Amino acid sequence: NAGVTQTPKFQVLKTGQSMTLQCAQDMNHEYMSWYRQDPGMGLRLIHYSVGAGITDQGEVPNGYNVSRSTTEDFPLRLLSAAPSQTSVYFCASSYGGFHANTGELFFGEGSRLTVL
Amino acid sequence: KNQVEQSPQSLIILEGKNCTLQCNYTVSPFSNLRWYKQDTGRGPVSLTIMTFSENTKSNGRYTATLDADTKQSSLHITASQLSDSASYICVVSDRGSTLGRLYFGRGTQLTVWP
Repeated sequence: NAGVTQTPKFQVLKTGQSMTLQCAQDMNHEYMSWYRQDPGMGLRLIHYSVGAGITDQGEVPNGYNVSRSTTEDFPLRLLSAAPSQTSVYFCASSYGGFHANTGELFFGEGSRLTVL
Repeated sequence: KNQVEQSPQSLIILEGKNCTLQCNYTVSPFSNLRWYKQDTGRGPVSLTIMTFSENTKSNGRYTATLDADTKQSSLHITASQLSDSASYICVVSDRGSTLGRLYFGRGTQLTVWP
C-alpha cells in the first residue's frame, strides 16, 4: 500500500545548489504531476507527464526540470536553487487526465524545501 | 478568468457539531469538482469527485453538493470529530483542452475543539 512515495521529506539548500526530488508510484498510473504549495495560495502545477517519455510544463515551470523514463518514477530537478523556490512540493499520480472522472489525484506526503 | 473561491477561510467548531464549507467557481467549460482533505504536514487526500450531472455525493460523514447552474458547491461535515481538523481544498477541472486543467482553491482551515 505504498501509493505515492516522495523523498526527501525535508531539505535545506543554499542558493545556487541543485537537487532532485524523487517521486515514485506503484499504482501503474499513467498521469503524474508536481505541485508546489505556498502559504495563502492554492496548489500550483509545475510539470506533468501523461506517460513514460512524455512531459509538459504546468503553470510555474521556470527553474525546474522533469523526466519520465519509467511509468513509476517522476523526479523533479531544481537546476539552481533560489530562495523563491522555498516551498512544500507535492507529487501526485492519477489513472486519468485532469478532466477525467478517473482523474482522482493521489498525493505523496510532500517534500519541504528551504533555500537559504 | 477561471477561479475557485472558498469560504470561510477558517472555521472553529466544537466536537459533535455540523458545519458547511463553501466553494464558488467560475471555471468553464466545467468537467468535474473535487474536495480534498489535507491534514497538517500531509498530502491532500480525495474525499469526493463530482461530475456535472451529480447533485450530491457522500463519503461517510462528508457530503458534497454541486449546483452547476449557480457554480457553487458545499461540503457538509456531520457530527464533527477532532480528526476532522484539517484544510479542505476545493478543486475544479475544466475540459477546455485534451488533458484539461485543475483550478485549486486556497482551502478552508477547519479546527474542531473538544
